[in-house]
Amino acid sequence: DAGVIQSPRHEVTEMGQEVTLRCKPISGHDYLFWYRQTMMRGLELLIYFNNNVPIDDSGMPEDRFSAKMPNASFSTLKIQPSEPRDSAVYFCASRGGGGSYGYTFGSGTRLTVV
Amino acid sequence: GESVGLHLPTLSVQEGDNSIINCAYSNSASDYFIWYKQESGKGPQFIIDIRSNMDKRQGQRVTVLLNKTVKHLSLQIAATQPGDSAVYFCAENINNAGNMLTFGGGTRLMVKP
Repeated sequence: DAGVIQSPRHEVTEMGQEVTLRCKPISGHDYLFWYRQTMMRGLELLIYFNNNVPIDDSGMPEDRFSAKMPNASFSTLKIQPSEPRDSAVYFCASRGGGGSYGYTFGSGTRLTVV
Repeated sequence: GESVGLHLPTLSVQEGDNSIINCAYSNSASDYFIWYKQESGKGPQFIIDIRSNMDKRQGQRVTVLLNKTVKHLSLQIAATQPGDSAVYFCAENINNAGNMLTFGGGTRLMVKP
């Protein structure tokens, strides 16, 4: 099991550019979560999917952020246009059904917008 | 746990000593709790969990204690090792609030050799 796979690991982009972060959840997991982590705000839930359907996107900061999950093995988080305040580490996590609510996190994408 | 903004609370312990990391939660409807460990440059890693119908659960070198009366959760690490140095987060699942975990602000554990 390769775990949750995120790409890229690091992204540096200029303000105004489009950024796309990618995530491959653990096979068989039917929940996928996108988190953002900063020193100021800690871990913030942006959006989560169940069976590829967005369930709660109330954490998405603004319309510049969008997320998709076209199939059970792939999700993207897009920022367009990017701003310096979007600089953070973005984590994807997945979990299966059953009685445990524990997530498995990916290694994250460190985004720097200059 | 509370968000601590720019500065994480830090616990510094000597190698070999026991560590206790604390977390307060506010929602009495929380029915499941998890401790995560996050090392530098990595994602949070599951350590141990506990359901609200329990008050103690033990793993390898770790014990989680839950006090629902005062809404307090603690993680005890026995014989702390340098590899335990990390930021530790508690997370709670609030019953009937969907399948989301709410994370605390984290505590940094530093182990002195």
